[in-house]
Amino acid sequence: DTGVSQDPRHKITKRGQNVTFRCDPISEHNRLYWYRQTLGQGPEFLTYFQNEAQLEKSRLLSDRFSAERPKGSFSTLEIQRTEQGDSAMYLCASSLVATGDGYTFGSGTRLTVV
Amino acid sequence: AQSVTQLDSQVPVFEEAPVELRCNYSSSVSVYLFWYVQYPNQGLQLLLKYLSGSTLVKGINGFEAEFNKSQTSFHLRKPSVHISDTAEYFCAVSLKAAGNKLTFGGGTRVLVKP
Repeated sequence: DTGVSQDPRHKITKRGQNVTFRCDPISEHNRLYWYRQTLGQGPEFLTYFQNEAQLEKSRLLSDRFSAERPKGSFSTLEIQRTEQGDSAMYLCASSLVATGDGYTFGSGTRLTVV
Repeated sequence: AQSVTQLDSQVPVFEEAPVELRCNYSSSVSVYLFWYVQYPNQGLQLLLKYLSGSTLVKGINGFEAEFNKSQTSFHLRKPSVHISDTAEYFCAVSLKAAGNKLTFGGGTRVLVKP
């Protein structure tokens, strides 16, 4: 098992363009989370899935953001019409069950909007 | 809603000296508590967690933390640091019945000097 994989590691895009990030969780994990981390801050929760169902979305997730997890495996996070304020590290994490146990994070995708 | 405060944004410390990173939380209900470490351009790695039971929790790399319910604190300690401990450390909480969504503190940057 290679842990949680995120692709790409870095993305530079022009303002107004759409971007999509991918997360591959640990294979047997049924929960998948997305967080956003801006420079010098702690990560902030965006959304999470249990299997293919999106169970909660943060108010941080504006209409320009959409996340999917088809078939309960990998997940994608899309940002439409990117803005400079979207520049951040986007972290994905997965966990096996809802026991409160700490979960496994990926290395993140760093987005820079120019 | 729960919140986490890390009282020190930066902690410089000499190699082989002890270090303590302070974390206080607020929540009206029972929580799980975590400490994560983040190296530059990396995701977060779980150091230790408190779910229940003994209030003194031992983690990886020689770190330990003590849960103090009356003071709503979960301070992290290491008796002797190494250069390799230079990193950012995040305290986090999750509610016992809220999908394991983590709320993070702002982080403490530890700089170990030779």
